[in-house]
Amino acid sequence: EAGVVQSPRYKIIEKKQPVAFWCNPISGHNTLYWYRQNLGQGPELLIRYENEEAVDDSQLPKDRFSAERLKGVDSTLKIQPAELGDSAVYLCASSQPGARGYTFGSGTRLTVV
Amino acid sequence: RKEVEQDPGPFNVPEGATVAFNCTYSNSASQSFFWYRQDCRKEPKLLMSVYSSGNEDGRFTAQLNRASQYISLLIRDSKLSDSATYLCVVNNNDMRFGAGTRLTVKP
Repeated sequence: EAGVVQSPRYKIIEKKQPVAFWCNPISGHNTLYWYRQNLGQGPELLIRYENEEAVDDSQLPKDRFSAERLKGVDSTLKIQPAELGDSAVYLCASSQPGARGYTFGSGTRLTVV
Repeated sequence: RKEVEQDPGPFNVPEGATVAFNCTYSNSASQSFFWYRQDCRKEPKLLMSVYSSGNEDGRFTAQLNRASQYISLLIRDSKLSDSATYLCVVNNNDMRFGAGTRLTVKP
């Protein structure tokens, strides 16, 4: 079984530029999460999807961040414009109903210069 | 106060040692609890769930005390390969992660 697939693995951009991350969850996993992990910290939830509906986006900085999961499968997370403080690892995870624990993708390491 | 708090360490122990990590959480309505392991520059991976009755998986023992809102992880007979960051995770609709405790096992 393929795991959660994320791309790109690494991204370096200049501040004020846009950037997008892509996630393909495990087949059959209805719930998809985007987390951000800063160095030396645990992952922090940005948004949670149940199928195509964003059920918790309270931690998403909506002035510059947006996300979508149009067909309830793949998801994209976008930042526009990026700021220096957005440098972090962006992790996607998925789970199925009743599951204990999530499966994470390998993440996208973003560096804003 | 953070939702999930852990001692960041680092813990530096010799092979064969027993080491314990502690974690406290603030939301008494939290429903389920986990320990995740994260290797350097890798994604977190589920190590084990934590139950009130305590549970063991080989050299690893996890314990939950709901009254004290406290979770622990005990690693016996440490191996070099146990070196990693251990993340305490509390689930109340969404998984909330602690900052992690870094463990280094030395020869």
